[in-house]
Amino acid sequence: EVQLLESGGGLVQPGGSLRLSCAASGFTFSNYAFIWVRQAPGKGLEWVSSISGSSDNTYYTNSVKGRFTISRDNFMNTLYLQMNNLKDEDTAVYYCAKCAGIFTSRDPHYWGQGALVIVSS
Amino acid sequence: QSALTQPASVSGSSGQSITISCTGTSNDIGYYNYVSWHQQYPGKAPKVMIYEVSNRPSGVSNRFSGSKSGNTASLTISGLQSEDEAYYYCTSYAGSGTRVFGGGTRLTVL
Repeated sequence: EVQLLESGGGLVQPGGSLRLSCAASGFTFSNYAFIWVRQAPGKGLEWVSSISGSSDNTYYTNSVKGRFTISRDNFMNTLYLQMNNLKDEDTAVYYCAKCAGIFTSRDPHYWGQGALVIVSS
Repeated sequence: QSALTQPASVSGSSGQSITISCTGTSNDIGYYNYVSWHQQYPGKAPKVMIYEVSNRPSGVSNRFSGSKSGNTASLTISGLQSEDEAYYYCTSYAGSGTRVFGGGTRLTVL
């Protein structure tokens, strides 16, 4: 059974940092690309970042470029999102999602339960 | 990275069929067959209902179907049931590693 378990969310002041983790099980982790998607309170889904199965390719939405870093550990079966210089508008539930294949073009196929990040002073 | 366009809300009576549209451009929906639909209940994580335009994951009811014509993708739900009442989001690959989502559609089952 596919399982994705996010952790690392919480309350942080503007300018602060957080690292989200997404622990995966139930499949061969390195064979799949992953994405991070966020959902601000009362809003829709927004793509944040993608990473290929081998970590060769990483991509970011414009608003987080230079502040967020996506990475993965294919030995620990874990996906990460390092978030630095956080802003109020980064407040959201962050979901990790497994894609349908190794390339980032593939559709999200399974979602984690989400991690709430609140940026506030 | 412009959002895809979905109707804010659609409704239908139990047993009827509805279709939700998702309009993009020739740079996303019109170019790639990586369009998926995701169901979300309030306070819950999304769940994929259709991927790669028209593929249904195992376990998803065959009442859900997807299609694409030009720059517009569509999700059709037949035989509406009360448990279908939820938000539905479309998303497409948009090239250069990016992905774009629609604004979401609230489905009400009357």
